[in-house]
Amino acid sequence: NAGVTQTPKFQVLKTGQSMTLQCAQDMNHNSMYWYRQDPGMGLRLIYYSASEGTTDKGEVPNGYNVSRLNKREFSLRLESAAPSQTSVYFCASSRTGDNYGYTFGSGTRLTVV
Amino acid sequence: GQSLEQPSEVTAVEGAIVQINCTYQTSGFYGLSWYQQHDGGAPTFLSYNALDGLEETGRFSSFLSRSDSYGYLLLQELQMKDSASYFCVFYGQNFVFGPGTRLSVLP
Repeated sequence: NAGVTQTPKFQVLKTGQSMTLQCAQDMNHNSMYWYRQDPGMGLRLIYYSASEGTTDKGEVPNGYNVSRLNKREFSLRLESAAPSQTSVYFCASSRTGDNYGYTFGSGTRLTVV
Repeated sequence: GQSLEQPSEVTAVEGAIVQINCTYQTSGFYGLSWYQQHDGGAPTFLSYNALDGLEETGRFSSFLSRSDSYGYLLLQELQMKDSASYFCVFYGQNFVFGPGTRLSVLP
């Protein structure tokens, strides 16, 4: 039972480069999320997908795009990376309306130089 | 937008009891969750309160007072492995994470 799988675990980018962070869940959850966490801070929502075929902006969407490829997969794309996007990125999933909260992936540590 | 307040750091000794408080704004409130995050790890779900009162799960308990817009996480019989950051999370249209409380458990 893998839960939520994120790739890659670590990445270094140069300013202006693009990349896609991959996320897949095997729990048949409807909802998926992308968060970023900066040092010493809480998590901030970038984008979410309440169900397959829908995506919505969260608190900090600028500089990012997402794709809900199917029910299992939700990817996050940085089109032109900036140093301000250096962060740890977490993908999460949940059952819609589930009070048992999110299941998080192990995170992607991204450094933009 | 929603903002939550919790203490930035708490220190306690093994075997002790510690309470981590959280206050929030009431707009669009459904419930309050708590997550634990060890250094370098992912957040893991601890508890959820939608109604007033205390929810107990082993050594951890969580309390909610909707009228006071206040909740807390109570950790009993502290162990070294409880050293981590603890986040209260506002559950409305989406989850909004608080800034986190770093708990250090000393021997």
